[in-house]
Amino acid sequence: AAGVIQSPRHLIKEKRETATLKCYPIPRHDTVYWYQQGPGQDPQFLISFYEKMQSDKGSIPDRFSAQQFSDYHSELNMSSLELGDSALYFCASSLGLAGAETQYFGPGTRLLVL
Amino acid sequence: AQSVTQPDIHITVSEGASLELRCNYSYGATPYLFWYVQSPGQGLQLLLKYFSGDTLVQGIKGFEAEFKRSQSSFNLRKPSVHWSDAAEYFCAVGAGTYKYIFGTGTRLKVLA
Repeated sequence: AAGVIQSPRHLIKEKRETATLKCYPIPRHDTVYWYQQGPGQDPQFLISFYEKMQSDKGSIPDRFSAQQFSDYHSELNMSSLELGDSALYFCASSLGLAGAETQYFGPGTRLLVL
Repeated sequence: AQSVTQPDIHITVSEGASLELRCNYSYGATPYLFWYVQSPGQGLQLLLKYFSGDTLVQGIKGFEAEFKRSQSSFNLRKPSVHWSDAAEYFCAVGAGTYKYIFGTGTRLKVLA
């Protein structure tokens, strides 16, 4: 079965650079979620989109922005990168909204900021 | 506010022994509860979920979990642990605003 695809899988950037992470949800899934998992930490919710509209926002820095496109894929744009942005970034997708919907997670993008 | 607590940061068991990972939640409404497993450097794989109905839910890889409303708990169990079960386990609650709140995780080590 098709799963959530994230690209790139690994990314190395310098401080103050920008990065774009991409997420391709499971086919027919209309909701996308982004999470950040720091080293040794639990995943923290950043932002979510339903039908191309932002549905919820968590602890996402102002330097980050995201959107969901007409084909339901999503991109997380990160600017003015800081060392503390080094983390594993997960994308998840679900069919529909509400906390009851099972979120299926991608393999993550590991970002290292030097 | 919603929260999830996993009291055990690390657990070590011998292969073949039984396992119980604890999870307590705080949520005002009916919780939707999940257990995920994460192997080193890997993504999150869903083990099982509870939405409603039977409070004992079966998952993949021989895992089960029991929802106890009176104790606000959703503990994960496995009768006989295999070496391949070594990983980090996350309990999560589906909050009404479309996001998951995760516990801090329990790292499981399996001794041969």
